[in-house]
Amino acid sequence: KNQVEQSPQSLIILEGKNCTLQCNYTVSPFSNLRWYKQDTGRGPVSLTIMTFSENTKSNGRYTATLDADTKQSSLHITASQLSDSASYICVVSGSTMFSGGYNKLIFGAGTRLAVHP
Amino acid sequence: KAGVTQTPRYLIKTRGQQVTLSCSPISGHRSVSWYQQTPGQGLQFLFEYFSETQRNKGNFPGRFSGRQFSNSRSEMNVSTLELGDSALYLCASSLAGGSVNTEAFFGQGTRLTVV
Repeated sequence: KNQVEQSPQSLIILEGKNCTLQCNYTVSPFSNLRWYKQDTGRGPVSLTIMTFSENTKSNGRYTATLDADTKQSSLHITASQLSDSASYICVVSGSTMFSGGYNKLIFGAGTRLAVHP
Repeated sequence: KAGVTQTPRYLIKTRGQQVTLSCSPISGHRSVSWYQQTPGQGLQFLFEYFSETQRNKGNFPGRFSGRQFSNSRSEMNVSTLELGDSALYLCASSLAGGSVNTEAFFGQGTRLTVV
């Protein structure tokens, strides 16, 4: 079964601290993995997108890593800010073989991050 | 460049009624996908439209339907509303949807409350 699991479910950190969010997936065949940030009541915004051959990708203070062998990804946030408080969603795109000809996005349940002053 | 526009932003309906939500994709994008987001279930895929044709469908009952117009704008319809349909409905547009690494851009969503 194609699944994306994220941990922890929720996390509280102090402003200025670093944190790492985890994503494990069983989607196969694999096409790409995306991390989205979603503020409460708003649509998700893309942070990074990585293909099979990419191990790491950065977007400002956000750095995503991907280990396609172990099917694990992480999102590291450096020097957290209050505005980082949001849900972070890991999304895996499967290739055409299982989705009837077109890629389909499989969403994780997200990690809710709260950054406190 | 305008982003993905969803209307209305908020909606309150009564059980048994029907509702139509609208999504205008980014100019030039031909793929529109719809998602339901609830606190307990996270983001659930409803369906995807490309060039006016539905080419992917999630596991939702037939009360949920959609369509796409020639200008790529899409509508989603939910008939015979149930309390459990209360959710944030998101649409995402992309250039082609099915292509590898195609970026998906989300709208702000429509918050539907069924009472």
